[in-house]
This record gives sequence, structure tokens and C-alpha cells, in this order.
Amino acid sequence: KAGVTQTPRYLIKTRGQQVTLSCSPISGHRSVSWYQQTPGQGLQFLFEYFSETQRNKGNFPGRFSGRQFSNSRSEMNVSTLELGDSALYLCASSLRGSATEAFFGQGTRLTVV
Amino acid sequence: SQQGEEDPQALSIQEGENATMNCSYKTSINNLQWYRQNSGRGLVHLILIRSNEREKHSGRLRVTLDTSKKSSSLLITASRAADTASYFCATDAGMIKAAGNKLTFGGGTRVLVKP
Repeated sequence: KAGVTQTPRYLIKTRGQQVTLSCSPISGHRSVSWYQQTPGQGLQFLFEYFSETQRNKGNFPGRFSGRQFSNSRSEMNVSTLELGDSALYLCASSLRGSATEAFFGQGTRLTVV
Repeated sequence: SQQGEEDPQALSIQEGENATMNCSYKTSINNLQWYRQNSGRGLVHLILIRSNEREKHSGRLRVTLDTSKKSSSLLITASRAADTASYFCATDAGMIKAAGNKLTFGGGTRVLVKP
């Protein structure tokens, strides 16, 4: 079974630009979550989508948004990029969400210059 | 904010030795999961232990959970150089079935296994 696929793997953007990251979950998984990992803050939850609905949201500004499509693929968008948005963005898929294992993709390394 | 604190932050051992790391958390949980991460890559799921379980094994991994102390430990036996990685605990505190997947991670333990 194919794992979680995130694209692109690496991205360099300029301050003020916007970026869209993509995540394809494991086939059959309906829950997709996004996490930001930085050396200073560690791994932090951004949001979770289940059946095209945002079910949980972390403590991030409104510049961070996401969506999920009917095939469970998810996209994450960050607008008006700031230097502090430089991070590894990880997507995780799970069968149902709560109480089930979450499987992570390789991540997208975003660098904002 | 991080739910868990991991101890130690870093660990250096010789190949063949056992590695033990601990995770403490603050709120009641449904389950606790352990993950491995190699050099800033994706997280690899190792094991999930539910709140009503006390111990779980998977290959060379042994996880314990003490909900009264709000702590968990991960033991890697007979370590190998390939076990060199960062290890994270993550708690799922969703109390409602529909609450969804919202993992809260500890700061991680960096393990170096020297050949």
C-alpha cells in the first residue's frame, strides 16, 4: 500500500508570497492532519480534515488555511509568508482520526527568504 | 504548546546496549503514540498504546504507560546504528469520538547509537 505523499519536497519562497502544499493520504484514510515542525517550537498541530470538513484547528493565524477534496487529498495554503514560516510541514493520514495510528509523509521543507 | 516533556533530550549509547526514554504529559489521554524521525524527514509510526493498556511490545520495542503518573517509556533493546534518530511521543487527548486526530508532541529525544 502506498504511503502518504507530500509535494513538493522542497520549496523556497520570498516574504509576502503565498504557497500551497499538497498531501495525498493512504488509500482509504479519511482523516488528514497538518503539522509544522521548527527547531524552536517543535511539532505543532495546524489543522485536521475529515470528509472534506475541518474538524480541528490549532493555534495558528488565519494566514494558514487548508482544504480537503472528495478523494481525501488535502492542500495547505499559507498566505503573506513570513520568515518565521520557514519549517518542515508534515501531513499525516489516519483511518478515522482519533484513537487510530497516524502515518506521516516525508514533509515539505519550506524556506522563506 | 507541547503536551509532553521527554527525558532525556539526548542519549548516546554503544551498539548492542538498550536505550530508554521517557515521556510525561499533562492531561488525560485516549492513547499515546511513539514516532521515530531521521534527520528532519517524516515521522515513522512505531507503536500506539491505549489508555487502558499498561505495556506493549513490538519487535525490539517495549512501551509502558502509567496513566496515574501521566508518563510513558520507550525501551529499545539491543540497539543498532540504524536506530540513530529522534524519538517523539505524541498524545491523543480527544475525549469525544468525533473530536478527530489532534496529536500533541513532546520535544523528542535524540538518540545516537555508536557502532
